Amino acid sequence: DVKVTQSSRYLVKRTGEKVFLECVQDMDHENMFWYRQDPGLGLRLIYFSYDVKMKEKGDIPEGYSVSREKKERFSLILESASTNQTSMYLCASSLLGRTTSGANVLTFGAGSRLTVL
Amino acid sequence: AQSVTQLGSHVSVSEGALVLLRCNYSSSVPPYLFWYVQYPNQGLQLLLKYTSAATLVKGINGFEAEFKKSETSFHLTKPSAHMSDAAEYFCAVSDPSNFGNEKLTFGTGTRLTIIP
Repeated sequence: DVKVTQSSRYLVKRTGEKVFLECVQDMDHENMFWYRQDPGLGLRLIYFSYDVKMKEKGDIPEGYSVSREKKERFSLILESASTNQTSMYLCASSLLGRTTSGANVLTFGAGSRLTVL
Repeated sequence: AQSVTQLGSHVSVSEGALVLLRCNYSSSVPPYLFWYVQYPNQGLQLLLKYTSAATLVKGINGFEAEFKKSETSFHLTKPSAHMSDAAEYFCAVSDPSNFGNEKLTFGTGTRLTIIP
């Protein structure tokens, strides 16, 4: 079964701490994504990457950075965590290019719930 | 820019009743459209997708959705609700011209409650 694994399901951090959220996929997907999920706001794209060492900003990149040193791993970094970054973070991956049925489907991890005190 | 609007953040239906979750989209080009479901404490999984083939799309667990260009809608339906359908449902849109990098824009979600 294909998998996107987020290493930490629940984290509690203090304001100002540096936070790393790790995501690993075993499907050899080129695209990887970080979304943030908040009640009433749905999912919002933070960053995505379509290749190793490549990254593009999504809709809400402020306060975040990412790292993709290997194809299977995509890390989200909060340089100095703040209380307004308390949220559920979802990682996803997909193939690059088209399948015969059209759009590629995103496969999601189970999420990492971050609380910043 | 693309966007989706999900009407109703909470929907309750009785077990066995029709499920109707509404999604309207805004896109300058013919879009790809998706419905995802999120069960408690889990990530999102795909229910179905529209990619410009048949306008009536069938998905998993008895769900289907119909693409209506004239109404810019992609509503999700299921004829008979089951207790296991209780979850949060997200409509999403992507731009087919954005080749290869299928970023999805999600709606705000609809939480479906099933009444026994």
